[in-house]
Amino acid sequence: QVQLVQSGAEVKKPGSSVKVSCKASGGSFSSYAISWVRQAPGQGLEWMGGIIPMFTSSNYAQKFQGRVTITADESTTTAYMELSSLRSEDTALYFCARGRLGGYDSDFDYWGQGTLVTVSS
Amino acid sequence: DIQMTQSPSTLSASVGDRVTITCRASQSITSWLAWYQQKPGKAPNLLIYKASTLQSGVPSRFSGSGSGTEFTLTISSLQPDDFATYYCQQYNSSPYTFGQGTKLEIK
Repeated sequence: QVQLVQSGAEVKKPGSSVKVSCKASGGSFSSYAISWVRQAPGQGLEWMGGIIPMFTSSNYAQKFQGRVTITADESTTTAYMELSSLRSEDTALYFCARGRLGGYDSDFDYWGQGTLVTVSS
Repeated sequence: DIQMTQSPSTLSASVGDRVTITCRASQSITSWLAWYQQKPGKAPNLLIYKASTLQSGVPSRFSGSGSGTEFTLTISSLQPDDFATYYCQQYNSSPYTFGQGTKLEIK
């Protein structure tokens, strides 16, 4: 059974960066995409980008290009999402999710528990 | 980007009711559509993928249909555990976009 366990809640100042981790266990890590999806308070779901660990490149939503970096460490089966230049609108619950299919174009069958990132001065 | 529009935004229903939620895509996504259930503070749970395929472990009262630009999620007989928010998601092309959600409330 695949499990995704995320790092704990963060409180950050505007203009700073945050890095959230997502530790995978069970199943194959390298060949399935791990995506990051965020949800602002009371709002819907927003896909930010993803990575297929066995490849070196990531796939980002245009909205977050230049501000988000998604990486993966195959040796520890952990994916990371770093978001920079934080602003109050980035306050949200951030989820990692595994693609059910082999490539980026996929629905998501396993999800982390979510990491709350609060941006406040 | 492909826009996904769900209707209604809120739906009030009773245990035992049959309910339908609609999701429309701004362009054809063939059958690359998923449905999720989400409860407050929890991660979404995959119910349906490829428009009509039931995810393993999901009760058979959930069903999906549609192709192209119009899709529906139907719950045949509402159970107390079904009161939640439902999202559709297209994975035809990046960025993978979600509908705004449909909150299913107890009448």
